[in-house]
Amino acid sequence: GAVVSQHPSRVICKSGTSVKIECRSLDFQATTMFWYRQFPKQSLMLMATSNEGSKATYEQGVEKDKFLINHASLTLSTLTVTSAHPEDSSFYICSARGRRSGNNSPLHFGNGTRLTVT
Amino acid sequence: EDQVTQSPEALRLQEGESSSLNCSYTVSGLRGLFWYRQDPGKGPEFLFTLYSAGEEKEKERLKATLTKKESFLHITAPKPEDSATYLCAALQGAQKLVFGQGTRLTINP
Repeated sequence: GAVVSQHPSRVICKSGTSVKIECRSLDFQATTMFWYRQFPKQSLMLMATSNEGSKATYEQGVEKDKFLINHASLTLSTLTVTSAHPEDSSFYICSARGRRSGNNSPLHFGNGTRLTVT
Repeated sequence: EDQVTQSPEALRLQEGESSSLNCSYTVSGLRGLFWYRQDPGKGPEFLFTLYSAGEEKEKERLKATLTKKESFLHITAPKPEDSATYLCAALQGAQKLVFGQGTRLTINP
């Protein structure tokens, strides 16, 4: 149980274009989803937290107009990187927490999306 | 400032050579300490949660322990398939996970 699917696994885009990444909870309803970014040989940095049906909460230093998060349903959240630049190239990972899970229960992660901006 | 620090950054062992990975944390109001395994190009895979000092969890060759300031991941008689990056994360406040930078573990056959 608790499977989180992320798509695409890899994407290459040109500078200035936008890219959408999807995160789905396959066998549970995710009331909260989290988006992380990971640079090579570094740890996961939380970008934003999204609760179904409400606006995402962004971490300090993360531009909300650049990283658009939508959590329109209990099984899907999307992250759109707008006007991407080479410095946005990174590994983006989502995670989700279910309706029946307490706040201190473990998060389950997707397999990540490798974004390369040329 | 809330911080999670893992050591060593990288560890290379021979198959069968037991060792421990360290995770030190300075997080106010810790509500849980999590260990994850991450393989290259993949998302983290959940291993253990520890909630209070003195708690221990075990799974196959791995055992996680927790004190008030740090957690250890002990690996006994490791195999090459245990090679991965091991991440620890502290749950701060309501739901924010603060991750350490990870330990890259390599087990040579």
